[in-house]
Amino acid sequence: GENVEQHPSTLSVQEGDSAVIKCTYSDSASNYFPWYKQELGKRPQLIIDIRSNVGEKKDQRIAVTLNKTAKHFSLHITETQPEDSAVYFCAASFSGPTNKLIFGTGTLLAVQP
Amino acid sequence: DAGVIQSPRHEVTEMGQEVTLRCKPISGHNSLFWYRQTMMRGLELLIYFNNNVPIDDSGMPEDRFSAKMPNASFSTLKIQPSEPRDSAVYFCASSSTGGGQPQHFGDGTRLSIL
Repeated sequence: GENVEQHPSTLSVQEGDSAVIKCTYSDSASNYFPWYKQELGKRPQLIIDIRSNVGEKKDQRIAVTLNKTAKHFSLHITETQPEDSAVYFCAASFSGPTNKLIFGTGTLLAVQP
Repeated sequence: DAGVIQSPRHEVTEMGQEVTLRCKPISGHNSLFWYRQTMMRGLELLIYFNNNVPIDDSGMPEDRFSAKMPNASFSTLKIQPSEPRDSAVYFCASSSTGGGQPQHFGDGTRLSIL
């Protein structure tokens, strides 16, 4: 069945360092890959997304890369800041006309000042 | 623009009571999703609707849970009778139709069953 694996489950970095979170999906027909950031006690918020016809997308300090052949996609955060500390979720679209997303299990990112 | 609106934000009730969670999706969005989030299980999809029709309720844990969407601007998730293990944060999300659309989440309802 459909599945998204996310690693690592926790990540601690020093302020200013880069952080990378990786996801693998199982459905080769998935064509949309959003990333969500969830701060403590808040709702998941979309921070960046990528479609299968694009290999990389960048928005200021965050970037996402997609390898369709390997069914991998990754989130890269550069020059991390304490306010980047949160849980990050990757997701992959479920094949077909629905808008169902399959979410990864989340990565708790801690940026140490 | 108003986002997805959920009510109540917090609910504390005793086990055995009926609980009703409410959601108003973003205007124009045709898909609505109910999720449950706990530390142990993460973010679980319970049920989703397209154009007010339930498409997949395989994530609904048991018969005590039911969801309705009587019109395009309102949905409810009901638990009857509630149990302590139902304690969680319940999120509603909505999106436009067509494959590959982002989902926008409401602020959630934090439910505690005593």
